[in-house]
Amino acid sequence: GENVEQHPSTLSVQEGDSAVIKCTYSDSASNYFPWYKQELGKRPQLIIDIRSNVGEKKDQRIAVTLNKTAKHFSLHITETQPEDSAVYFCAASTGGGADGLTFGKGTHLIIQP
Amino acid sequence: DTAVSQTPKYLVTQMGNDKSIKCEQNLGHDTMYWYKQDSKKFLKIMFSYNNKELIINETVPNRFSPKSPDKAHLNLHINSLELGDSAVYFCASSQEGGSQEYFGPGTRLTVL
Repeated sequence: GENVEQHPSTLSVQEGDSAVIKCTYSDSASNYFPWYKQELGKRPQLIIDIRSNVGEKKDQRIAVTLNKTAKHFSLHITETQPEDSAVYFCAASTGGGADGLTFGKGTHLIIQP
Repeated sequence: DTAVSQTPKYLVTQMGNDKSIKCEQNLGHDTMYWYKQDSKKFLKIMFSYNNKELIINETVPNRFSPKSPDKAHLNLHINSLELGDSAVYFCASSQEGGSQEYFGPGTRLTVL
């Protein structure tokens, strides 16, 4: 089955700086890669996703890049703000049918004021 | 409007009991899921289900079973609860596999 590795487990950055979280996946059939943000005590919420036919996607301060050959994808957050503090999860799916998500172990992002 | 809802929000019970968690989605999605989030915050899929197939994660004990009375509901039944079952259980739904999943608020299960 799919295996998703995520690094780092904790990331502390100064407010206004950029944050980068990296993930690798094992199943070359995976074609959908979402990123979820989870605040303490809340549900995971999608912040951005990318499909395997695209190399990069951007939404305001958030961007995701995908390297299919190397089987890795990354989340980039620019101009970080205190409200960006949360746990971020990457995930992968082969898509179709009832296929669910395989998640990475999460990154605790801490924005230092 | 709540897209994906779960009840109860908290569930405290004794070892050996049988319990159920209900999930409903009003998004018209075809696929629903159950995930378990342990104390280390690791999210792991347990089941995924549409009207054609049920996919069971091989690591899930057979004490856990999903029941879908209709397309909008996927309930989770747990028999003979064990201490290690304590976790937060999230229901989710999507239009199909490999598309955006919307999560419910979670049910915190504590087994004493």
